[in-house]
Amino acid sequence: NAGVMQNPRHLVRRRGQEARLRCSPMKGHSHVYWYRQLPEEGLKFMVYLQKENIIDESGMPKERFSAEFPKEGPSILRIQQVVRGDSAAYFCASSPGFYNEQFFGPGTRLTVL
Amino acid sequence: DAKTTQPTSMDCAEGRAANLPCNHSTISGNEYVYWYRQIHSQGPQYIIHGLKNNETNEMASLIITEDRKSSTLILPHATLRDTAVYYCIRLDVTGTASKLTFGTGTRLQVTL
Repeated sequence: NAGVMQNPRHLVRRRGQEARLRCSPMKGHSHVYWYRQLPEEGLKFMVYLQKENIIDESGMPKERFSAEFPKEGPSILRIQQVVRGDSAAYFCASSPGFYNEQFFGPGTRLTVL
Repeated sequence: DAKTTQPTSMDCAEGRAANLPCNHSTISGNEYVYWYRQIHSQGPQYIIHGLKNNETNEMASLIITEDRKSSTLILPHATLRDTAVYYCIRLDVTGTASKLTFGTGTRLQVTL
């Protein structure tokens, strides 16, 4: 049973470009969470999604960031017009339901030049 | 505001038990205590969780005080691979908010 998969593992973008981060949850998991970890800081919650629905986006920056979890395919975290401050590790987690433990992927390390 | 207090760092000799404390004095009756760890810069790993009773699994034991104001994570025989940052997290189970609020955690260093 494969764990949570994230790709790419490393992503380099220039300022102003778009970044797309993908997350495939564990089999049977319909809840996906995105977290961001800035250098030398703790993880911060960004958004919580179920299939085709955003449940909680209280941690998402108001502009440039969006997330989706379509009926088919992986969850996507999209960052438009990236800036250097977006450089961070982005982790995705999945769970089978509310309050179950969350299983984390290996993360995508975004570097903005 | 992570609402839990943990020591910044701890050391433990390999083979000995590692006891990691966590203070959550304002915890409500609806909140569980979860423990995760992050080894180097990998994705966090779930360890254990509990509400009132002590819990044990293959990784660790969780001791929660009777008043639920604090808890201790116990790694019974620490190894070098247990070196990580350990996070104690409160999770309110009323409603649909199941996001994890990570604090600064305890950096556990296991030494030979």
